[in-house]
Amino acid sequence: RKEVEQDPGPFNVPEGATVAFNCTYSNSASQSFFWYRQDCRKEPKLLMSVYSSGNEDGRFTAQLNRASQYISLLIRDSKLSDSATYLCVVMDTGRRALTFGSGTRLQVQP
Amino acid sequence: NAGVTQTPKFQVLKTGQSMTLQCAQDMNHNSMYWYRQDPGMGLRLIYYSASEGTTDKGEVPNGYNVSRLNKREFSLRLESAAPSQTSVYFCASTLAGGTGELFFGEGSRLTVL
Repeated sequence: RKEVEQDPGPFNVPEGATVAFNCTYSNSASQSFFWYRQDCRKEPKLLMSVYSSGNEDGRFTAQLNRASQYISLLIRDSKLSDSATYLCVVMDTGRRALTFGSGTRLQVQP
Repeated sequence: NAGVTQTPKFQVLKTGQSMTLQCAQDMNHNSMYWYRQDPGMGLRLIYYSASEGTTDKGEVPNGYNVSRLNKREFSLRLESAAPSQTSVYFCASTLAGGTGELFFGEGSRLTVL
């Protein structure tokens, strides 16, 4: 079983739609959680950290469920510019390194 | 700001050839990483260096060696390249004890024939 699992998609949605991505992780000792965004043929960039209480940044909302070892990302009012691959990322304090999911591809259509 | 700089950006090798990917960061970060990215596999950690003078194996270290030359530079060496090492390689850095945000270089696209 992969340490971090995501639905690869693609998710094809119209502009203005709300879309949700899910991610599960296997290591219950994981300490920190993130969503990264990666545009085609570019490097990944941090989208947002995920906090236990859930957090929101504009149209983006991230949630963490430690009991179920589950992370989610909700994008409201999708824009064409949201088209990208979204990577779920987990940090284990012991390893001091980040583990990446394989990503979920989002295509927002006009 | 340069951030994380990787060279070369593209390279084609023949099986058995050797090469070194260079990485440098100017953000005074303690920790540096090398990942490879293959279609459908996501980013997989090859090696990392938590601080100057230390290196540790990641998920897929076989066929690679690394050197943390100083705080700024972390190189990745392929001693005898194989077609299975065809991939996009990303160097990244972060400030230990910080937010955990990784800053990536633009990637190095390597093809081994």
